[in-house]
Amino acid sequence: KQEVTQIPAALSVPEGENLVLNCSFTDSAIYNLQWFRQDPGKGLTSLLLIQSSQREQTSGRLNASLDKSSGRSTLYIAASQPGDSATYLCAVVVGDSSYKLIFGSGTRLLVRP
Amino acid sequence: DAGVTQSPTHLIKTRGQQVTLRCSPISGHKSVSWYQQVLGQGPQFIFQYYEKEERGRGNFPDRFSARQFPNYSSELNVNALLLGDSALYLCASKVQGGTDTQYFGPGTRLTVL
Repeated sequence: KQEVTQIPAALSVPEGENLVLNCSFTDSAIYNLQWFRQDPGKGLTSLLLIQSSQREQTSGRLNASLDKSSGRSTLYIAASQPGDSATYLCAVVVGDSSYKLIFGSGTRLLVRP
Repeated sequence: DAGVTQSPTHLIKTRGQQVTLRCSPISGHKSVSWYQQVLGQGPQFIFQYYEKEERGRGNFPDRFSARQFPNYSSELNVNALLLGDSALYLCASKVQGGTDTQYFGPGTRLTVL
């Protein structure tokens, strides 16, 4: 059974700091991995999708890496800003007919001005 | 283009009642999935529909049911509500039924008293 874990559960950093969020999964048989952002009480915004054959994806100040063999992904946020404060969720797509997402519990990020 | 829309935004019900949640996917998207997110946790997969057929079902009781209409919109029904059904219900759509990116709506906040 696929399980996704995110560490740390919460993180508080001063503005301008570079930071890394971690995601691990127990079964390497995934199709892809997605990182999402969720603001309080809101829906999910897709940030990056990494296909299982890829090692990393970049979008602006965000860079996500994937190491399938070790069951790990990291989300790197450069030069953090207060507007980056949100919960960040990673999810893997597993291979049954539904191609459902299996989520971690998220990392709650606070960037202090 | 409009994103995924969900209605209603908020809903308050009492135990034992029934509820229907609605979702309209992004234009051109044929697949709709439903997720339940309990406070402090990541979303959990409930159903996926593609071309009006159920493609997958998560570990939820038979009180939960869904359907997809010819215009690809979807409804999620929950009967005999329990206190534990209180959650944010998220709808996601994607173009096909495979591993492409899922786009989430803002969610419906259900409170069961």
